[in-house]
Amino acid sequence: EVQLVQSGAEAKKPGESLKISCQASGYNFSTYWIGWVRQMPGKGLECMGIIYPDDSETRYSPSFQGHVTISADKSINTAYLQWSSLKASDAAIYYCARQRGDGAGPGDWGQGTLVTVSS
Amino acid sequence: DIQMTQSPSTLSASVGDRVTITCRASQNIRTWLAWFQQKPGKAPRLLIYKASTLETGVPSRFSGSGSGTDFTLTITSLQPDDFATYYCQKYNNFWTFGQGTKVEIK
Repeated sequence: EVQLVQSGAEAKKPGESLKISCQASGYNFSTYWIGWVRQMPGKGLECMGIIYPDDSETRYSPSFQGHVTISADKSINTAYLQWSSLKASDAAIYYCARQRGDGAGPGDWGQGTLVTVSS
Repeated sequence: DIQMTQSPSTLSASVGDRVTITCRASQNIRTWLAWFQQKPGKAPRLLIYKASTLETGVPSRFSGSGSGTDFTLTITSLQPDDFATYYCQKYNNFWTFGQGTKVEIK
């Protein structure tokens, strides 16, 4: 069974750094794209970027390029999303999702990580 | 960048209604189109991929059609469990979501 298990909720202050994780199991982590999706309170889904863990090829949305870093450690089947300096506007739920190899798109999702940013 | 535009933003319907949601891509995406259902506090659930392929376990009242730039999600007989928000997404090369359609009880 494919599972994506995300790290727990975080409460941070503006300017702080943060790294959240998405640990995968049940499939060959290296050979499937993983994406990070933001959902701000009451709003829609936005893809921040996707990564191919085998060679760490990463594609960012222009809206997020330079503000976040997406990475993956295939030795421990884990993808990461990190910020060096959080803003209040980064408060959101963040989901990781796996793009399936049968052309199905992101059919497997993590449970989401709630990030709150407040002084 | 390819933009995805959904309509309507909100839809009011009754149990048993036939519901149609449309999604338009700003460029040809062939059939690299998925539909998701999302309920409050939950992760999105894949319903349809490759524009018209029903995901395993999804009820047959859901169907998708289209190719190129114009796509449709249809629910043939709306059930109480179907009141939710629906998103289209293109997923070749990069992922881009439509803005969502909230299906409300009329």
